[in-house]
Amino acid sequence: QVQLQESGPGLVKPSQTLSLTCTVSGGSISSGGYYWSWIRQHPGKGLDWIGYIYHSGSTYDSGSTYYSPSLKSRVAISVDTSKNQFSLKLSSVTAADTAVYYCAREVAVAGMLSVEYWGQGTLVTVSS
Amino acid sequence: SYELTQPPSVSVSPGQTASVTCSGDKLGSKYACWYQQKPGQSPVLVIYQNSKRPSGIPERFSGSHSGNTATLTISGTQAMDEADYYCQAWDSSTGDVFGTGTKVTVL
Repeated sequence: QVQLQESGPGLVKPSQTLSLTCTVSGGSISSGGYYWSWIRQHPGKGLDWIGYIYHSGSTYDSGSTYYSPSLKSRVAISVDTSKNQFSLKLSSVTAADTAVYYCAREVAVAGMLSVEYWGQGTLVTVSS
Repeated sequence: SYELTQPPSVSVSPGQTASVTCSGDKLGSKYACWYQQKPGQSPVLVIYQNSKRPSGIPERFSGSHSGNTATLTISGTQAMDEADYYCQAWDSSTGDVFGTGTKVTVL
């Protein structure tokens, strides 16, 4: 059973960079074939996809990324296969970035992606 | 940007059928999936590829797709089915897109 666990600061100051890490257990990122995603949920609101990184499983693959157009200028997702982790960096944060952040594993079926596994989510508050 | 619209709320009596719709431009040419989210919990995939159920999801959950509307149906609704439900599709220009969400209340 694949499990994902988010970690990182729960409080970030405005204009700074939000950094979160997702540790994967029960499965290897380097086995390839899956999309490793970040999704957020503002308090009391719906789900917003942030982006994902796809790792082919090749030793030399640093991953291919795809970001939400609305966040693309501020987002970076990377993978560390040696630690079986992937990470999110969101720069220049404001109070509007306060949300529960989920990491997730998506699988492609018939040309679309769906989330098979979710982390438990971590609340990040942006405040001075 | 691509948007998927759901009704804010649906009410259903125990044992009855609940239907949740999801509408979007050109949704007819895409697959949809559905997630259930209970308060304080992470979402759970209940339907993928329009109508398929992941392992462990009860048979009372079903999905269908007609034109630009996808529908999640819960037959014989139980109190434990009270939750928020989100549809999701994938678009090449915007990536994953989630619906606005529907709160299903079992009265």
